[in-house]
Amino acid sequence: ETGVTQSPTHLIKTRGQQVTLRCSSQSGHNTVSWYQQALGQGPQFIFQYYREEENGRGNFPPRFSGLQFPNYSSELNVNALELDDSALYLCASSFKQGWSYEQYFGPGTRLTVT
Amino acid sequence: DQQVKQNSPSLSVQEGRISILNCDYTNSMFDYFLWYKKYPAEGPTFLISISSIKDKNEDGRFTVFLNKSAKHLSLHIVPSQPGDSAVYFCAASFRGGSEKLVFGKGTKLTVNP
Repeated sequence: ETGVTQSPTHLIKTRGQQVTLRCSSQSGHNTVSWYQQALGQGPQFIFQYYREEENGRGNFPPRFSGLQFPNYSSELNVNALELDDSALYLCASSFKQGWSYEQYFGPGTRLTVT
Repeated sequence: DQQVKQNSPSLSVQEGRISILNCDYTNSMFDYFLWYKKYPAEGPTFLISISSIKDKNEDGRFTVFLNKSAKHLSLHIVPSQPGDSAVYFCAASFRGGSEKLVFGKGTKLTVNP
C-alpha cells in the first residue's frame, strides 16, 4: 500500500509568481485536504476535496485554489505569491463514507518565496 | 482566535517514565480529537483519536483522556522511549477524522536515555 506522496520536496519562487504543488493520495482514499504550516505553528486548513468537489475551505484568499482528479490525486495552486506564503504545505488523504476516518499526511512541500 | 491550545511548547522526560502532553480547546462543538506525531522533514503521523462520546482510548503505550466539562484532553505515553522524541500535535474536528482539522501549535517532547 503506497502512502501519501507530494512533489516537489522543496521549491523557491519569487514574489508575484505562481506555483503548483502536487499530491498523490493513499490507495483507496477519496478525500484530500491541504494544510499550510508556518514555522512554529500547527498546520492550518486550506481546503478539502471530496470526490473531485471542494468540500470546505479555511480562511485563505481565492488565490489559493485546488483540484482533485478522478484518481483522487490533487493539486494546490497559489497565484501572486507573497512572502508570507513561505511555509510547509501538507497534503492529507482519508476515506469518507458515512463516518469519516483519520487523515494520513504526506511529507510536505517546503515553499520559500523571496 | 486559537480554538485548540497546547500551552507547553516543550517537555523533557526520562526514558521509562510517563510523558503527559496536554491540550485545551474552546469550541464545545468539536466532537472528535486526534493526536499526531511529527518528526523533522516528515509529515504528521496519526497516533490515536477519541470521540467525544468517550473519555478514554488506549492503544499500546498511548492513552488519550478527554474531559469534556473542562474542554481538556491529554496524551499519556507509558513507558516513554527515546524514539518518541518528536513534536506532538493535538487536533480537533466537528464531524470525524476526515473533516477539517484544527491543530494546536504542538509540544516538542524529548525523551532522554
